[in-house]
Amino acid sequence: GAVVSQHPSWVICKSGTSVKIECRSLDFQATTMFWYRQFPKQSLMLMATSNEGSKATYEQGVEKDKFLINHASLTLSTLTVTSAHPEDSSFYICSARDNGVQDGYTFGSGTRLTVV
Amino acid sequence: AQKVTQAQTEISVVEKEDVTLDCVYETRDTTYYLFWYKQPPSGELVFLIRRNSFDEQNEISGRYSWNFQKSTSSFNFTITASQVVDSAVYFCALSPGYSSASKIIFGSGTRLSIRP
Repeated sequence: GAVVSQHPSWVICKSGTSVKIECRSLDFQATTMFWYRQFPKQSLMLMATSNEGSKATYEQGVEKDKFLINHASLTLSTLTVTSAHPEDSSFYICSARDNGVQDGYTFGSGTRLTVV
Repeated sequence: AQKVTQAQTEISVVEKEDVTLDCVYETRDTTYYLFWYKQPPSGELVFLIRRNSFDEQNEISGRYSWNFQKSTSSFNFTITASQVVDSAVYFCALSPGYSSASKIIFGSGTRLSIRP
């Protein structure tokens, strides 16, 4: 079945540094990928929709200059958290739309970001 | 407006009891998908079911069953003879429209604890 590989699975970084998270579709092409953020004991909140070859669409309240999204190919989308602060510590999950799978969406395994 | 409401924040039952997780959704779209996902403590999302808006037939899969009623905009999930391994957070979700750019909107989740 379709697989979305997300790396790293966890990362600890110092406040003020930037962190890049990769989301890769392994056996299918994804023109659209989605990035979610989940704080402890909360739901998954959509941050942005990543479109291959064009600018990402950000949800209201998400700072596009802080959360840089690049979708340079049909199999790779990256999320860069710039100048990370402790309040950015969260669980980040990507998802890709794939009509070849039963649910139509395939999720990465998530990245747990801790900013110290 | 698109919205998914899971009114039950936490449920705790004794093993072997039946339990129903409620989900109510709002959308103006006539075509949409509804989903249920399970999120164990490890964080990854486990797909359980997808229903399109034109298919109101109830579904049973082993100990799991789903009741979709468009008249009440509900898509409830029942676990029969619950087991400790069913303990997790369960998310109901909505994807308005059928296009590849359609995002998934998650409910707030229900934390289910099954006591031995």
